[in-house]
Order: sequence, then structure tokens, then C-alpha cells
Amino acid sequence: QQQVKQSPQSLIVQKGGISIINCAYENTAFDYFPWYQQFPGKGPALLIAIRPDVSEKKEGRFTISFNKSAKQFSLHIMDSQPGDSATYFCAASIQGGGADGLTFGKGTHLIIQP
Amino acid sequence: DAGVIQSPRHEVTEMGQEVTLRCKPISGHDYLFWYRQTMMRGLELLIYFNNNVPIDDSGMPEDRFSAKMPNASFSTLKIQPSEPRDSAVYFCASSWTRNTEAFFGQGTRLTVV
Repeated sequence: QQQVKQSPQSLIVQKGGISIINCAYENTAFDYFPWYQQFPGKGPALLIAIRPDVSEKKEGRFTISFNKSAKQFSLHIMDSQPGDSATYFCAASIQGGGADGLTFGKGTHLIIQP
Repeated sequence: DAGVIQSPRHEVTEMGQEVTLRCKPISGHDYLFWYRQTMMRGLELLIYFNNNVPIDDSGMPEDRFSAKMPNASFSTLKIQPSEPRDSAVYFCASSWTRNTEAFFGQGTRLTVV
């Protein structure tokens, strides 16, 4: 059973545009929602994370929007740059974010065209 | 610190052979995790350790898989015998505590032919 569904699988955005990746979850006990960024040949790295007590978190060009009632959260990359080209994973966990409890989405392969 | 170090980066082996993947976590991190990444199943947690003790191995797919952590600075994931369906990228990650960010290594790409 896939507890975190991520879409789209792949995304092509022009430089300067907005990249949007969506995730939906099923388990209402999830209380930590991170996004990971993975470059080819590298391991995933934490990009930004949110807890359900807020509806939005922004760090630089990256924003997480969270809709608790819809059980959805999304990553927005403003002014997308070629260096943002990577695979992005959403994840969710219970009890604060321990890596043992992380359930990952299948990933989105993002390409930013110059 | 150099981060989480995994070796080898790439491994090609024949079906039936034993494969050993190695991991050196970040010094001082009490938690170590082994993940497997495939196109079909994404990132899956296989097992994790706390202070060198295996806590949850429910993600280990079969008895062919085993993991050890003999000391705080070294862990191994062994597959014996290996099968083509074991082909994947295996990641090791470590963290200070259970609820802090986990840092991933660069992974070992395993191909079983």
C-alpha cells in the first residue's frame, strides 16, 4: 500500500518558471512532511520540511504548502534554475521525523530548461 | 566530517554470489539506516540501528539479507546468495537522534547479472 502518492513523475519547466510537485497522503497520524532533493549519483538530501501546525513554509525559492483537510502538500520552486534539475521526493512520518519512520513518495524527475 | 561514506560505489556480481556493502556513518551519530532505491518501489527502509543495536529489520526483504554494525563507525549489508531482483541502489544514512535529519551517503549501485 502506497501511503504517499507523488505527482508528476517527471516535469519540465523553463528557466525562471515555477515548478510545482504534489503529494497526497493517507495516514492522518503523519506529523512531519519533508522534501528531499537528489542529484544524479548522490544520496537524497533534506531540502525543506513542514509540520501540520502551519500551512506554509518558505525557505528562499522553495515553499511547502500544506493542506491538512485535503491530506495534501506540495513543493513550489520559484524562479526555477537549471541547477534545480534533480529528483525530488516527498516523505511523511509519524512522531517527529525519525528516518526510521519516513515513507517516501516515488519521486519527481525535474528538468529546468535554460 | 566527510559525511556518510559508502563502498563500493558500484558493484556488479553474478547471481548466487555473496555481496557485502559497507557504510561509515558520520562520527557521533547514534542512528544508522539502510535504504534500497528502485524505480518500481522507490526508497524503502531495510533496517536501522541505534547505538549499534538493530532495532527494526522488518524491511529486510528476505533471509538472504543480513546487516551488522560491529562498532559505531562501521556497518555492513550482506546479500547471500544474490539474485538479479536485488539490483538497486543501496543507501546508508545516519542521524544524531531518531528525530533529527538523516544524512545519506552516495549509495552503492548493485547490479546482479
